[in-house]
Amino acid sequence: EAQVTQNPRYLITVTGKKLTVTCSQNMNHEYMSWYRQDPGLGLRQIYYSMNVEVTDKGDVPEGYKVSRKEKRNFPLILESPSPNQTSLYFCASSLLAGGISRSPLHFGNGTRLTVT
Amino acid sequence: TQLLEQSPQFLSIQEGENLTVYCNSSSVFSSLQWYRQEPGEGPVLLVTVVTGGEVKKLKRLTFQFGDARKDSSLHITAAQPGDTGLYLCAGNTGNQFYFGTGTSLTVIP
Repeated sequence: EAQVTQNPRYLITVTGKKLTVTCSQNMNHEYMSWYRQDPGLGLRQIYYSMNVEVTDKGDVPEGYKVSRKEKRNFPLILESPSPNQTSLYFCASSLLAGGISRSPLHFGNGTRLTVT
Repeated sequence: TQLLEQSPQFLSIQEGENLTVYCNSSSVFSSLQWYRQEPGEGPVLLVTVVTGGEVKKLKRLTFQFGDARKDSSLHITAAQPGDTGLYLCAGNTGNQFYFGTGTSLTVIP
């Protein structure tokens, strides 16, 4: 089944303890991206990647890191999490066929992160 | 930041009623996508519109892209309980996607 898989689904951690949220897609998509979803603010893009070893900042990259060493994986790293990073996080991928403007984003089911 | 404002933020209607959701921006987008999100899941694409003035129909859902490619609307005819969910618009510029704040729709049987 074609899908984007995020792990874990739920994560509770403490301020300053490094964590990684994994994202993997099995559709051979070039484009991958991370978003955070907060009430009243919608989805905001954190980082995106056009292909292996190519990553760029989105709207809210502060406090996050990403890497794209393989086409299928795009982990989100929080080196020193803070309470304002408590949020619902989504990973998405896209094939880019026909151009990015015409390509749908395929989302994972989300990771709910709580930082205390 | 390219702001996409959606209205209304919340909408509760009776089954069978019609409704329209708006997505507005001061920025021009290459395309506008509409997604629907259900609790505990990621957003799922409903439609992509790329041409100014374009109208697309998906069963009881009608999507329109503004002539200037800055705004879009989603019209649902004869809403059903299965239409309940969070509706999100997303504009594409360059390699980035900008999402609206969302419209939470509840259709009461």
